[in-house]
Amino acid sequence: EAQVTQNPRYLITVTGKKLTVTCSQNMNHEYMSWYRQDPGLGLRQIYYSMNVEVTDKGDVPEGYKVSRKEKRNFPLILESPSPNQTSLYFCASSPPPGHSLTDTQYFGPGTRLTVL
Amino acid sequence: AQKITQTQPGMFVQEKEAVTLDCTYDTSDPSYGLFWYKQPSSGEMIFLIYQGSYDQQNATEGRYSLNFQKARKSANLVISASQLGDSAMYFCAMREGRAAGNKLTFGGGTRVLVKP
Repeated sequence: EAQVTQNPRYLITVTGKKLTVTCSQNMNHEYMSWYRQDPGLGLRQIYYSMNVEVTDKGDVPEGYKVSRKEKRNFPLILESPSPNQTSLYFCASSPPPGHSLTDTQYFGPGTRLTVL
Repeated sequence: AQKITQTQPGMFVQEKEAVTLDCTYDTSDPSYGLFWYKQPSSGEMIFLIYQGSYDQQNATEGRYSLNFQKARKSANLVISASQLGDSAMYFCAMREGRAAGNKLTFGGGTRVLVKP
């Protein structure tokens, strides 16, 4: 079954304690992204990756890091989480542009993060 | 300026009636795609329907149809014969042809509650 998995699904942590949210896809997609969802703002892209070792900032990258060492995995790293990073996080994957704009992104189930 | 605007934060609809969710967008890219996603209370993002900027006909998928008015830059979602299971958050999103990273730009969402 084609899917994007994220772990953990729920996480409560404290300010400053480094954490990693993992993301993995089994569709051999080149493109992967991280989004955060906040009330009234919809989803906003944090970082994206176009292939292994190719990553770039999205609209709200401050306070986050990513890496893409393998095609299937795209972890999101919060080196020093702060309360304003409390949010619902989604990982997504898709084929590269040129296939078709109709190719929607496949979203993971989401990770609800609370930073106290 | 907001690229995707959803002006209805929330709405009630009677079961079995139709409901229209508004979405306006702003882009200078001639090639773009418009998407609607459903987010139930469980949190996952469910792709509903897609409309391409060059598509001549309005998209339909079962009970979902997209009222695409290109000159007005609107892409309203119509849900016919509402069901209790349609109660959810609905997001309009756009992918511009020249956007890096296959980025989707989302509106703030509309929460729909279907009354029995």
